[in-house]
Amino acid sequence: QSALTQPPSASGSPGQSVAISCTGTSSDVGGYNYVSWYQQRPGQAPKLMIYEVTKRPSGVPDRFSGSKSGNTASLTVSGLQAEDEADYYCSSYAGSNNLVFGGGTKLTVL
Amino acid sequence: EVQLVESGGGFVQPGGSLRLSCAASGFTFNNYWMTWVRQAPGKGLEWVANIKQDGREKYYVDSLKGRFTVSRDNAKNSLYLQMDSLRAEDTAVYYCGRALEREKNDAFDVWGQGTMVTVSS
Repeated sequence: QSALTQPPSASGSPGQSVAISCTGTSSDVGGYNYVSWYQQRPGQAPKLMIYEVTKRPSGVPDRFSGSKSGNTASLTVSGLQAEDEADYYCSSYAGSNNLVFGGGTKLTVL
Repeated sequence: EVQLVESGGGFVQPGGSLRLSCAASGFTFNNYWMTWVRQAPGKGLEWVANIKQDGREKYYVDSLKGRFTVSRDNAKNSLYLQMDSLRAEDTAVYYCGRALEREKNDAFDVWGQGTMVTVSS
């Protein structure tokens, strides 16, 4: 159950697109289509943004999208807005009813 | 309103025990998997445990097996985390969460506000 690998930081200007990667192994990200992404603002609980790699829960703007290739999943935020500035965490099903999170990426809107 | 409210956090000495509670409201509690996730100060999220709707299946992160026990009381719409033999590295905010979909346990869309646990002498 090793943590998934995310870049510590990412940034973009308003209106731009930014992608955040999440790298695991064939035992987690690569083995299942159960990757989720969470947004967390300072002092707040996580908020589910993407589940099952590409799906958006009700209420999440379509500026947020997810994808996966091999052992790496990605979250793309298009049309960056100031309110998107937050920490983002990926998580993946890792078999045997276990979950694993990534280390988190701090997204800065310049 | 769908809501989760944690309680039970606080200060505890190394080796001590603490029991966290998570009160659910606004939804049919016994229809959903539930989870505990923690976050050490300034650090990332760490999955702790999941428990199935009827409480008969429980799963834990390997590093915590044997020290933490997750349980639920569906009659009281409550989730619990019993934490024993606490260590300094267990210091964290503990969040409870509800699964997004009734029969799955991989994504969680409802979260509590978190309860802080500090393990220190």
